[in-house]
Amino acid sequence: TQLLEQSPQFLSIQEGENLTVYCNSSSVFSSLQWYRQEPGEGPVLLVTVVTGGEVKKLKRLTFQFGDARKDSSLHITAAQPGDTGLYLCAGASQGAQKLVFGQGTRLTINP
Amino acid sequence: GAGVSQSPSNKVTEKGKDVELRCDPISGHTALYWYRQRLGQGLEFLIYFQGNSAPDKSGLPSDRFSAERTGESVSTLTIQRTQQEDSAVYLCASSLIAATGETQYFGPGTRLLVL
Repeated sequence: TQLLEQSPQFLSIQEGENLTVYCNSSSVFSSLQWYRQEPGEGPVLLVTVVTGGEVKKLKRLTFQFGDARKDSSLHITAAQPGDTGLYLCAGASQGAQKLVFGQGTRLTINP
Repeated sequence: GAGVSQSPSNKVTEKGKDVELRCDPISGHTALYWYRQRLGQGLEFLIYFQGNSAPDKSGLPSDRFSAERTGESVSTLTIQRTQQEDSAVYLCASSLIAATGETQYFGPGTRLLVL
């Protein structure tokens, strides 16, 4: 069974601070996605990383896929209250259509 | 439609009753997925459809759970003889095709509470 472990599960920081969320697995994924979910809504895709070592930036968010395609990180610079939400990583294996999700990181940015 | 829609938004039922959850995917999307999200947890895959066929139903927790899709459009997830552990948010997603890494667009979910 493929598992994705996210850490930390909960993170509460002050506005303006930097943070990193980790997503780790013992399995290799052909691609890894990061989603953000607000209360009462479904997850919304932020980014897909495909190549080992790939780095993608989305404004203040930086996503990295590990060289071995087993892990990923999400780094937020100068966090804003609007960044508050549940961040989920999800992996896709070659030939499989389903996504394997981590348990999520609940991020709270305090003004 | 503009996005994936699900109904009902909320459902409260008594243990032992059957429930039906509905998903309307984005028009033209051939692939449709069902996931379950327990409180404070990530998403757990249940089943996916390519057209009206379900190539992977490995995530269905028991034979009380079933799903169908008709007209390569609407899908219903049925839970028979509901149990308290079935309480969760049931999320539906659709994608243009069923392919590894294809972007899945999620609906808002149906919140099911079994008393």
